[in-house]
Amino acid sequence: GAVVSQHPSWVICKSGTSVKIECRSLDFQATTMFWYRQFPKQSLMLMATSNEGSKATYEQGVEKDKFLINHASLTLSTLTVTSAHPEDSSFYICSASSGLSNQPQHFGDGTRLSIL
Amino acid sequence: GQQVMQIPQYQHVQEGEDFTTYCNSSTTLSNIQWYKQRPGGHPVFLIQLVKSGEVKKQKRLTFQFGEAKKNSSLHITATQTTDVGTYFCAGLNYGQNFVFGPGTRLSVLP
Repeated sequence: GAVVSQHPSWVICKSGTSVKIECRSLDFQATTMFWYRQFPKQSLMLMATSNEGSKATYEQGVEKDKFLINHASLTLSTLTVTSAHPEDSSFYICSASSGLSNQPQHFGDGTRLSIL
Repeated sequence: GQQVMQIPQYQHVQEGEDFTTYCNSSTTLSNIQWYKQRPGGHPVFLIQLVKSGEVKKQKRLTFQFGEAKKNSSLHITATQTTDVGTYFCAGLNYGQNFVFGPGTRLSVLP
């Protein structure tokens, strides 16, 4: 149980393109979804937290107009990287949890974004 | 803000040796979670500790939460090549989101 699907797994696109990443909880209702960025051989950097039906809460230093997050249902959250540039190239990974903030996070497989 | 640190950053062991990673928080935690990320994979939840001084075991893995709830450890007995990966702790600071530590990367030489 507790499967999170993230799509696409790998994106290569030109600078200036907007890229949408989907995160779905397949067998449970995800009250809260988290979006992380992970650089090679480094830890997970929390970008934002989204609760179903409300605006995402962004961490300090993360541009909300650059990284648009939508959590329209209890099973789907999307991250859109708008007008992506090479410095946005990274590994983006989502996680989902149900209920309270002390619940385990179930991670998707991540999306490797490469901006040319 | 809350900071979570882990040591060591890297650890290379011979198969069969024991391994321990330590997690320290700058603030008192309500809960701590441990995750394992295999190379090329995503983090997978291992365990959550809630009580002061709590010790939990999963086969060869022993997790401990400090009495002051500011530190934790993960000990692996007799490592195997399947233990390879990065072990992250994540501390929850009373009502806030979990903050992940930088991780300890474990290599096991056969």
